[in-house]
Amino acid sequence: KAGVTQTPRYLIKTRGQQVTLSCSPISGHRSVSWYQQTPGQGLQFLFEYFSETQRNKGNFPGRFSGRQFSNSRSEMNVSTLELGDSALYLCASSFSGVNEQFFGPGTRLTVL
Amino acid sequence: AQSVAQPEDQVNVAEGNPLTVKCTYSVSGNPYLFWYVQYPNRGLQFLLKYITGDNLVKGSYGFEAEFNKSQTSFHLKKPSALVSDSALYFCAVRARYGQNFVFGPGTRLSVLP
Repeated sequence: KAGVTQTPRYLIKTRGQQVTLSCSPISGHRSVSWYQQTPGQGLQFLFEYFSETQRNKGNFPGRFSGRQFSNSRSEMNVSTLELGDSALYLCASSFSGVNEQFFGPGTRLTVL
Repeated sequence: AQSVAQPEDQVNVAEGNPLTVKCTYSVSGNPYLFWYVQYPNRGLQFLLKYITGDNLVKGSYGFEAEFNKSQTSFHLKKPSALVSDSALYFCAVRARYGQNFVFGPGTRLSVLP
């Protein structure tokens, strides 16, 4: 079974730009979660989608948004990028709420 | 609210010695508990989970964890550490279906040859 894939793997943007990250979950998984990982803040939860509906949302500003498509693929968008948005963005999928999450390799976003 | 604590930022252990990485949690009701490992420049890899049943859970790569409800702990253990076990370890909790995972801050394990 193919694992969770994330594209692109690396991104360099400048302040004020916007970016879209993509995540393809493991086949059959309906839950997709997004996390921001930084050295200082650890792993911070952004949001979770389940069957195209946002089920949970973390404490991030409205510049961070996401969506999930009918095939469970998910995208995350960050508008008006700030220097502090530089981080590793991780996507994770799971079959259901009680199951473990499987993580993708992440997208490394650098904001200059 | 859910929370996870990993009281040690760093754990050092000699190769061949037993290792323990500590985790305590706070959650309403019965928790779903997980351990993940992250190698440099990689995503997180699932090690093991506790949902219900036997308090001692066995996982990948010879790791195991013990659920202690009275102490609200879920410590990760391995009888004999390998240098290749050196990585960043995360404990996570999910209160119940429909709530998001909450991860601890991570513990960096260094196994010295």
